[in-house]
Amino acid sequence: ETGVTQSPTHLIKTRGQQVTLRCSSQSGHNTVSWYQQALGQGPQFIFQYYREEENGRGNFPPRFSGLQFPNYSSELNVNALELDDSALYLCASSTIDMNTEAFFGQGTRLTVV
Amino acid sequence: AQTVTQSQPEMSVQEAETVTLSCTYDTSESDYYLFWYKQPPSRQMILVIRQEAYKQQNATENRFSVNFQKAAKSFSLKISDSQLGDAAMYFCATNFGNEKLTFGTGTRLTIIP
Repeated sequence: ETGVTQSPTHLIKTRGQQVTLRCSSQSGHNTVSWYQQALGQGPQFIFQYYREEENGRGNFPPRFSGLQFPNYSSELNVNALELDDSALYLCASSTIDMNTEAFFGQGTRLTVV
Repeated sequence: AQTVTQSQPEMSVQEAETVTLSCTYDTSESDYYLFWYKQPPSRQMILVIRQEAYKQQNATENRFSVNFQKAAKSFSLKISDSQLGDAAMYFCATNFGNEKLTFGTGTRLTIIP
């Protein structure tokens, strides 16, 4: 197992609600990336945080936002939930360059009803 | 557009045999990394093998090896001596020289005892 922990593991929310997902980072890593994995698909990049700043964003609307804390852990916030937001949300901990391995958490399964 | 394509949604192999999973990609970048990730039912993405695009030598990790053809933009994964624990979804991914990973749609590998 990696040292990357995500919470909660499962979550059910109602359309229009807001949700916060959390991710710890691996010791020695300073970068956290978030991915959305719809059922039967590969993960899609949402955004990355480095030194508490957003460092790259994928094709996701502004209602997807994030934070990174001084200990490099991170949060993903989604406002105004839609049914299509139902997915597995993965976070990956790494250093800013790609020379080191990115470690993934076990994911949060979000269901929007 | 920068894309990653896995044309085999499902593959199966007899235990102890060898199987090859295919991946092609499209990019104009010259310096990037390529990855194969394994996602078992536990959902956690596990790095299987990594290849640096500027290295001509194919990467090898125990029973796992790649056939990297840069000109053809092809990056296949060979699993030798397949084991029951190899059963999982396998995703090909690349960073295309930037901060995010772009994944293919995955190949579900079944091991037949």
